[in-house]
Amino acid sequence: QVQLQESGPGLVKPSETLSLTCTVSGDSISSYYWSWIRQSPGKGLEWIAYIYYSGSTNYNPSLKSRVTMSVDTSKNQLSLKLSSVTAVDTAVYYCARTGYYSDSSAYYFFDLWGQGTLVTVSS
Amino acid sequence: SSELTQDPVVSVALGQTVRITCQGDSLRKYYASWYQQKPRQAPLLVINPKNNRPSGIPDRFSGSSSGNTASLTITGAQAEDEADYYCNSWDSSGNHLVFGGGTKLTVL
Repeated sequence: QVQLQESGPGLVKPSETLSLTCTVSGDSISSYYWSWIRQSPGKGLEWIAYIYYSGSTNYNPSLKSRVTMSVDTSKNQLSLKLSSVTAVDTAVYYCARTGYYSDSSAYYFFDLWGQGTLVTVSS
Repeated sequence: SSELTQDPVVSVALGQTVRITCQGDSLRKYYASWYQQKPRQAPLLVINPKNNRPSGIPDRFSGSSSGNTASLTITGAQAEDEADYYCNSWDSSGNHLVFGGGTKLTVL
């Protein structure tokens, strides 16, 4: 059974960098795409980025200047770094396995989610 | 505001059929996926862009699209279907993914 587990500090100070890790168990991180998605308290879902196990990435343009996503195939982990955080970055952060298929266009969808981790930005 | 627009609140009587819609220019070209989220739980994929249901999703859930609108239909809504539902697809540039604002479904 494949499981995803997010981990990282639950509290980050304003202007600092938020760093999260997602550990994948039960399957190899290779041959899949992986995403980070967040949800501010009481709000909807916001896609942050996806990455292929080879390292190619696609970032939400509204966050691109502050976000770095990477994979470590040796540890079967993916990571997220979000710099210069403010209170608006307070959210539950989810990692998700990302399915892919292509016909005339490429399609991505989030077929397996971690439980999420709440990150609060506050001094 | 999102490039994909959903009605914030929809209600349905128990056992009846409900359609949850997602509108956006990108949907004229691209398909959507749909997610169900219950309180204090992670979202769950219910319909993929091929309009297929993942294993374990009841067959009362179905997806369709027409013009600039993608739809999630629940045929014979059950009490356990009460949840928030989100669509996801490409943005208008076709380069980045975006979620709809979400629809809160109430089963009466």
